Amino acid sequence: ETGVTQTPRHLVMGMTNKKSLKCEQHLGHNAMYWYKQSAKKPLELMFVYSLEERVENNSVPSRFSPECPNSSHLFLHLHTLQPEDSALYLCASSQLYGPYNEQFFGPGTRLTVL
Amino acid sequence: AQSVTQLGSHVSVSEGALVLLRCNYSSSVPPYLFWYVQYPNQGLQLLLKYTSAATLVKGINGFEAEFKKSETSFHLTKPSAHMSDAAEYFCAVSERNNNDMRFGAGTRLTVKP
Repeated sequence: ETGVTQTPRHLVMGMTNKKSLKCEQHLGHNAMYWYKQSAKKPLELMFVYSLEERVENNSVPSRFSPECPNSSHLFLHLHTLQPEDSALYLCASSQLYGPYNEQFFGPGTRLTVL
Repeated sequence: AQSVTQLGSHVSVSEGALVLLRCNYSSSVPPYLFWYVQYPNQGLQLLLKYTSAATLVKGINGFEAEFKKSETSFHLTKPSAHMSDAAEYFCAVSERNNNDMRFGAGTRLTVKP
């Protein structure tokens, strides 16, 4: 595997379910990100981890819970989601956490909440 | 805080025609500017970035962008569109004194044969 991988690619869940999204980067990077991409809206940064420490949490509802067990893996735990949470969830990584660092994106998980 | 506006959510050009995708930014300090492309069912891929060297930046796939401070713009161009350029394009800005990158809403490029 190369680059940034995400599993699953598609997920359908009910509002009472608990599920997790997984992201893995094979680039030796030190920063990882979760974004939410909704139709016709700018990408919304949800969480940032740098050296396995959370450095940003942009007012995301508590029904989204991130976990970064090591520098290569990032999870997004989901529970009691709402239909408006349906979106494409993108994971990204960068060599370092900083304004000039190129971010490398995974293909995303398409989430549908029924 | 910095922000970015992409004019036109949808641009359509004929194959071989000039591609022009517009991006204007707002920033209180000299920014870093990026263009990303997203092909269907894929994540975003960096096309090019401006980090205060040359104002005309060349990227992959024949794209380039020019940083114009007086116009607070960073428009993306390609002289001749190819069918494979059909995708969504995102402009992004980050400021040198913080780590927050802001993305525009995206412009979907359609290339007609």
